[in-house]
Amino acid sequence: QVKLQQSGAELVKPGASVKLSCKTSGYTFSTSYMSWFKQIPGQSIEWIGMIYAGDGGTGYNQKFKGKATLTVDTSSSTAYMDLSSLTTEDSAVYFCARMVLITTLFDYWGQGVMVTVSS
Amino acid sequence: DVVLTQTPSILSATIGQSVSISCRSSQSLLDSDGNTYLYWFLQRPGQSPQRLIYLVSNLGSGVPNRFSGSGSGTDFTLKISGVEAEDLGVYYCMQATHAPLTFGSGTKLEIK
Repeated sequence: QVKLQQSGAELVKPGASVKLSCKTSGYTFSTSYMSWFKQIPGQSIEWIGMIYAGDGGTGYNQKFKGKATLTVDTSSSTAYMDLSSLTTEDSAVYFCARMVLITTLFDYWGQGVMVTVSS
Repeated sequence: DVVLTQTPSILSATIGQSVSISCRSSQSLLDSDGNTYLYWFLQRPGQSPQRLIYLVSNLGSGVPNRFSGSGSGTDFTLKISGVEAEDLGVYYCMQATHAPLTFGSGTKLEIK
């Protein structure tokens, strides 16, 4: 069955960077897309960007350009998101979600990972 | 960016009651390819979002048929025909016609 397993919670200092992972199984990762999302607890969801695992091509929400960098490792069927120059405003839950075909857009999600930025 | 306005923001329902949630877009969501990329998600407390409806009115795999979606252009509706206890949570509409993808502000469904 399809699974998206995200890495564990992170506590990081302001100014630091963090790399989140989303390990997939149960489908053909190399011909799929992965999107990442940010959700501050109690608020709505923001789309950060999307990456195509086939060639690493990316598309970002302008708001997150320079903040987030999306990559993939097809050998381990894992998607990554680097968040840089962290501030307290980056404290949030981050989700990954897949798309294989337009009809499967965001049909499976990771469990989410809480990133807390604090000194 | 496209703004999705959901109403109501809070919905209180009894078990078995039918309810509707509205999602109004600041721009038409009809794409040049003929598809309308409007989706509905439910986020239960402490969980990831679950996709309920895709492309306006198509029921996601494993989603109970008491959920239905309708609409076109800028006005969309999610209907739950006979609320069950497990339906509590926050409902979001999302559009993928225009970049960046955007979500509505959410509708919290409470069970009386």
